[in-house]
Amino acid sequence: RKEVEQDPGPFNVPEGATVAFNCTYSNSASQSFFWYRQDCRKEPKLLMSVYSSGNEDGRFTAQLNRASQYISLLIRDSKLSDSATYLCVVIHGGFKTIFGAGTRLFVKA
Amino acid sequence: DAGVTQSPTHLIKTRGQQVTLRCSPKSGHDTVSWYQQALGQGPQFIFQYYEEEERQRGNFPDRFSGHQFPNYSSELNVNALLLGDSALYLCASSPNRGASYNEQFFGPGTRLTVL
Repeated sequence: RKEVEQDPGPFNVPEGATVAFNCTYSNSASQSFFWYRQDCRKEPKLLMSVYSSGNEDGRFTAQLNRASQYISLLIRDSKLSDSATYLCVVIHGGFKTIFGAGTRLFVKA
Repeated sequence: DAGVTQSPTHLIKTRGQQVTLRCSPKSGHDTVSWYQQALGQGPQFIFQYYEEEERQRGNFPDRFSGHQFPNYSSELNVNALLLGDSALYLCASSPNRGASYNEQFFGPGTRLTVL
């Protein structure tokens, strides 16, 4: 079993739609969680940190469920520019960073 | 304020050769991590450097080694290159303390092709 698992997609959604991604992790001692986005042939860029209390940044909402060991990302009112690969990131052991393989999102007009 | 920079951008090597990749962290960051990203995969953690020491390592063989300098810049060395080492190599920097602890910022990467 992979340490961090994501549905690879692709998710094909129309502009204005709401889309949600989940990511599960296997190490219950994991302590830090993030979502990154990566455009084709570019470097990953930090989208947001994820906290148990949930956090929101504009159209993006992230949530952590420690009991079920998953994190989620919700994107509301999707834009064409949201088309990218979304990477789930989990850190455990203080410094060991594990990336999921990513979920591809295509937003179409 | 310069972000994370990496050099070179692209590199072509042959099997058995050795390669050195370089990274300068974002201003104010003292921790550098290296990743290998194959096509269609997420980045794989190679190791992390802090205070010029390797403090965490992923599942990579000893052919992969690194160094961090007093100015926090870092090098990744790969010996005895294999075809399977062809990938995008990403460097990320982060602060070791504060609210942004563990928030990593990535450089544009070095694309290594091994022939």
